[in-house]
Amino acid sequence: TQLLEQSPQFLSIQEGENLTVYCNSSSVFSSLQWYRQEPGEGPVLLVTVVTGGEVKKLKRLTFQFGDARKDSSLHITAAQPGDTGLYLCAGADTNAGKSTFGDGTTLTVKP
Amino acid sequence: DSGVTQTPKHLITATGQRVTLRCSPRSGDLSVYWYQQSLDQGLQFLIQYYNGEERAKGNILERFSAQQFPDLHSELNLSSLELGDSALYFCASSAGGSYNEQFFGPGTRLTVL
Repeated sequence: TQLLEQSPQFLSIQEGENLTVYCNSSSVFSSLQWYRQEPGEGPVLLVTVVTGGEVKKLKRLTFQFGDARKDSSLHITAAQPGDTGLYLCAGADTNAGKSTFGDGTTLTVKP
Repeated sequence: DSGVTQTPKHLITATGQRVTLRCSPRSGDLSVYWYQQSLDQGLQFLIQYYNGEERAKGNILERFSAQQFPDLHSELNLSSLELGDSALYFCASSAGGSYNEQFFGPGTRLTVL
């Protein structure tokens, strides 16, 4: 069974601070997705990383896939209250055609 | 708007009852996934269908069942409901392929009283 561990589980910071959240596994994934979910709504896809060592940027968000494709990180620069939400990573297994989701990091950015 | 629709948005029922949740995937997507999310918890994968066939099963209770119809919409049936079944139920769809990117619907909030 593939497991994804996300850390920290909860993070509360002030507006303007930087932060990094992590997604770790002992399994290799063919790709990894990051999603953001707001309370009461469905997760929204932010990015997909595919190649080991790949770095993708989405405005103030920087996503990195580990060299061995087992882990990933999400770094947010100058966080804003609008970044508040649950951040989920999901590792895709091409052969099984399914994804494994981590339990998420709940981020709160205070004004 | 992800293009995935779910109905109803809210559902309140009593213990022992049976309900059906409905999902229409994005146009062209062949895969449908069902997830359960209890309060302050992550997504628990229930089941996946691909073009009408069951493809993967997660921690789905025997009281729960699902199917995908020829028009690709899917239904999740929950029976003999218990208080602990109260949760958000999400449907997601995917075009398949290597990346397995999933697009989620707005969810159905089920409350069992």
